[in-house]
Amino acid sequence: GAGVSQSPRYKVTKRGQDVALRCDPISGHVSLYWYRQALGQGPEFLTYFNYEAQQDKSGLPNDRFSAERPEGSISTLTIQRTEQRDSAMYRCASSPIPPEQFFGPGTRLTVL
Amino acid sequence: GDSVTQMEGPVTLSEEAFLTINCTYTATGYPSLFWYVQYPGEGLQLLLKATKADDKGSNKGFEATYRKETTSFHLEKGSVQVSDSAVYFCALSANQAGTALIFGKGTTLSVSS
Repeated sequence: GAGVSQSPRYKVTKRGQDVALRCDPISGHVSLYWYRQALGQGPEFLTYFNYEAQQDKSGLPNDRFSAERPEGSISTLTIQRTEQRDSAMYRCASSPIPPEQFFGPGTRLTVL
Repeated sequence: GDSVTQMEGPVTLSEEAFLTINCTYTATGYPSLFWYVQYPGEGLQLLLKATKADDKGSNKGFEATYRKETTSFHLEKGSVQVSDSAVYFCALSANQAGTALIFGKGTTLSVSS
């Protein structure tokens, strides 16, 4: 079956622009997670949803970052006024039942 | 807070050598433990897991045993192949109610023929 998909796979933007990263989870998965991974590091938690409810956003680094999952399926992570330090791999994962998570291929964001 | 510490890489082995990648953790309560693998150009894949003490997770010839007394979850394989070359991440979930995964920094394994 189809796995978690993310788009775009690569995004290059200029400092100050807004970007929207999309995650399409495995059908029927209740929970959806966003992580950020810097080069040479493990993924770090940003936020997660159960259905459409954002359960925990404690990992979002500042108020330029936001996420939504309005219909309990596809999720969008938005970064406003991007900065060079936002450059990283952004990973999405979905989960049918805890604690197992299935990851998408990631979006590589580069802010120039 | 909760954390995961993995041995630093890179680990370089010849084909058919024995592999150990050390992982220790710090957590309150009884976490679930995981090994994820990232092959070149691909996303993170779950390799194996263990949800309680003394459980052994296994997959594709890899094994790891959840040792509560030493707070460890070391990854082992008896005979590595070139196709095992990848980055390996140890991770924990603080409880079984669907909270976020906490990852180690990853260990790069390179296997040559």
